[in-house]
Amino acid sequence: GAVVSQHPSRVICKSGTSVKIECRSLDFQATTMFWYRQFPKQSLMLMATSNEGSKATYEQGVEKDKFLINHASLTLSTLTVTSAHPEDSSFYICSARDQLKGAGELFFGEGSRLTVL
Amino acid sequence: GEDVEQSLFLSVREGDSSVINCTYTDSSSTYLYWYKQEPGAGLQLLTYIFSNMDMKQDQRLTVLLNKKDKHLSLRIADTQTGDSAIYFCAAPFSGNTGKLIFGQGTTLQVKP
Repeated sequence: GAVVSQHPSRVICKSGTSVKIECRSLDFQATTMFWYRQFPKQSLMLMATSNEGSKATYEQGVEKDKFLINHASLTLSTLTVTSAHPEDSSFYICSARDQLKGAGELFFGEGSRLTVL
Repeated sequence: GEDVEQSLFLSVREGDSSVINCTYTDSSSTYLYWYKQEPGAGLQLLTYIFSNMDMKQDQRLTVLLNKKDKHLSLRIADTQTGDSAIYFCAAPFSGNTGKLIFGQGTTLQVKP
């Protein structure tokens, strides 16, 4: 079964509203989680690294005030898309690593599809 | 930085073997990954290989790593229609942080 879970899987919102997406590690603790964005028929692009107990680290070109990340516990990271616009519509996927099982065990969630009207 | 390249499309007949190829640029990559993505779904970790290995086999999947040429391949034996999906090769940005850079993805089409 899934070891990394995202919620919601689909969300539709109006332009200007904020949307929160959750990423949970189900069977393990993750001090670090990662958020990616995927446009249709394209590859995944890393947006940011979510660090438990400290600020997220954003990749170049990603607006930290637009994409707020909070890693409140060892099993939960949240991505909030603030003041969403249609160009924010995308597939957002998180990942987490079970470090007790070695660096190769890097799992992704089911993804969250955001549609901004 | 790291760059990962894949061919975009592969079509095979059911029962044949599929070979998906990937090249990367950073020779210090520790782990290299293969993920499968079905339409509308997230990524499923298929397998990974550590850089000190040349080959890894897991049931129908065989990963070959040529470190000299920085070439990685995924072979799927006895390909089934359920194997139709997009396959992504991924390598770490740098070191062993868990941050990955992905190839463009190879769409595998399996014809009955």
